[in-house]
Formats: sequence, C-alpha cells, structure tokens
Amino acid sequence: DAKTTQPNSMESNEEEPVHLPCNHSTISGTDYIHWYRQLPSQGPEYVIHGLTSNVNNRMASLAIAEDRKSSTLILHRATLRDAAVYYCILFMIYNQGGKLIFGQGTELSVKP
Amino acid sequence: KAGVTQTPRYLIKTRGQQVTLSCSPISGHRSVSWYQQTPGQGLQFLFEYFSETQRNKGNFPGRFSGRQFSNSRSEMNVSTLELGDSALYLCASTSGGTGELFFGEGSRLTVL
Repeated sequence: DAKTTQPNSMESNEEEPVHLPCNHSTISGTDYIHWYRQLPSQGPEYVIHGLTSNVNNRMASLAIAEDRKSSTLILHRATLRDAAVYYCILFMIYNQGGKLIFGQGTELSVKP
Repeated sequence: KAGVTQTPRYLIKTRGQQVTLSCSPISGHRSVSWYQQTPGQGLQFLFEYFSETQRNKGNFPGRFSGRQFSNSRSEMNVSTLELGDSALYLCASTSGGTGELFFGEGSRLTVL
C-alpha cells in the first residue's frame, strides 16, 4: 500500500495561516487524498479530500502537486480549536469500496 | 442527524477472552469500516462492510472478524484476546464512493 509522510509536529500562531505538508510519492492514479484531524479522546474528523485539482471548503484548502506526489493542507487562520493531530491519508479504491491508509500524522499546536 | 454510535465506549477484558463491539452508522449509510488505533502502530484498517458483505480486509489475524446486519449496523469480534489487542477501535460510516467518512468516538479496549 502507498504511504504518506508528514512532519511529526508543527507550531503555529493563532490567526496566522498554517501549511501542513504531506508526501505520497507512491500514490497510484486512483487514490484520493484525504485529510482528517483528531482531537484527544475523539474519533477522526473529516477535513477535506481531493483527487487532482485543488479543493476548498469552509474548513480548509487542499493544494495538490501537479504530479500528485505531495499535497498541502492550508488552514487560512488558525484558531486554538485547530490544535489537533492532522492525518494525510490515501483513500485506496478496492472492490468498489475503499480503505483509508493512515500515516503517523502531524501534531499541530497553536499558540495564542 | 445522529452521528456514528459505538458501544461500549470502554471495556476491560483479560487475556484469552473474546469481545464484541457494536457500531450504528449514520442513517442511510451502507458502508461501515473498522480501524484499530494504538500508540505504536497508529490507525490501521481492519475491514469494510457494504450491504452485509465484507468488501475489503486489512492485515489482521483471523481472530478479528466482523459482520453487518440488514439495517447496516455492524459488529466486530476479537477472539482469544492478547495484550497487544488493547487499543481504541474506531468505526466509520459513509454513503459510499470516495468521499467523507464519519467516525464514531471509538471503543477503548484494555486487555489485562
């Protein structure tokens, strides 16, 4: 299975933009790039996903490299509530279904 | 609408016992997948069910099994528990396709 590589931790200041990088050099053509985040004692929460084009939603933006071997999650203005572990994940399509292949995640801390 | 519900939230078992965990997906969602989260291995895919059929399976021993009922509720079972099975077991549901998965808060299993 293809894997993702993320920095173990990152720091940000409140109300500043945050760019969370992810490498997925062995991604296959049908794998979707998903981002989830997880707060302590909670299940992961969906943030955003895409295949080839950049994507925006109310939570964040996802910038995908042209060769799809890397992507960046962009939080436009970090808040204290954004402190969490962020997972860059490949959604692999199998048998008409799929599975998420999680990496180790980036622990984001936000300073006031 | 109600989210993904997992029961029990916490449980303690001893080695050699078996355990059954339950997951009620979001109404209308037909795909349910299970994940194991441990500090050492992170989040790992266990299996996915769709319309009562196991569609995908991760790399776990046969002691881990699951099933899905006609109302899409799912159970997973772990037999002959080992200390290493101590983990947070997460269930996620989706309506299908390649989009957002909704996770429950998990069942935390401790094996003594």
